[in-house]
Amino acid sequence: KAGVTQTPRYLIKTRGQQVTLSCSPISGHRSVSWYQQTPGQGLQFLFEYFSETQRNKGNFPGRFSGRQFSNSRSEMNVSTLELGDSALYLCASSSLAGVSGELFFGEGSRLTVL
Amino acid sequence: DAKTTQPPSMDCAEGRAANLPCNHSTISGNEYVYWYRQIHSQGPQYIIHGLKNNETNEMASLIITEDRKSSTLILPHATLRDTAVYYCIVRVGDNYGQNFVFGPGTRLSVLP
Repeated sequence: KAGVTQTPRYLIKTRGQQVTLSCSPISGHRSVSWYQQTPGQGLQFLFEYFSETQRNKGNFPGRFSGRQFSNSRSEMNVSTLELGDSALYLCASSSLAGVSGELFFGEGSRLTVL
Repeated sequence: DAKTTQPPSMDCAEGRAANLPCNHSTISGNEYVYWYRQIHSQGPQYIIHGLKNNETNEMASLIITEDRKSSTLILPHATLRDTAVYYCIVRVGDNYGQNFVFGPGTRLSVLP
């Protein structure tokens, strides 16, 4: 079956702009989580959605937001972009069947802020 | 903060077993040990997880000490494609929250 799909794969924005990233989870997966990866901070949890509700949130400013649709697809938005927002943004989905805790990650969206 | 400690880097000869250690001395009774790896420019990939008992799958084996304060991921016959950053994570294995805390991991280089 198809894996986690993230779009766009690469994008360049300038400071002050906003960006929306999209994630389509594996079919049947209802949990979608987002992570930010930078060389300095590594992989950091942003937030998680389950059945259109945000269940967990990491320690990021309010400029970072997300949502999940009824088909489990998710989007995350970053407003008023800063240079430090340049990162690889990874989406992961999970079926939550049992307690396997297996996350399936997409290839990521690489954001460059100029 | 990550609850695990891993060496920053390791080398392994191709065809030999790669043994990646992880210390998790503050692990709680209901926390599982998970291993993921990230090959350059790709999203992390699940490898294996366990609670108390040793586990084996088609990718690797996980050996957890009896006191659960440390574990070792074993790649039995490392190949060049196993070169990656390996993350050891401990978390409660429930269905509520997929917020994994990734540390810096171990950069494994498999050498020809």
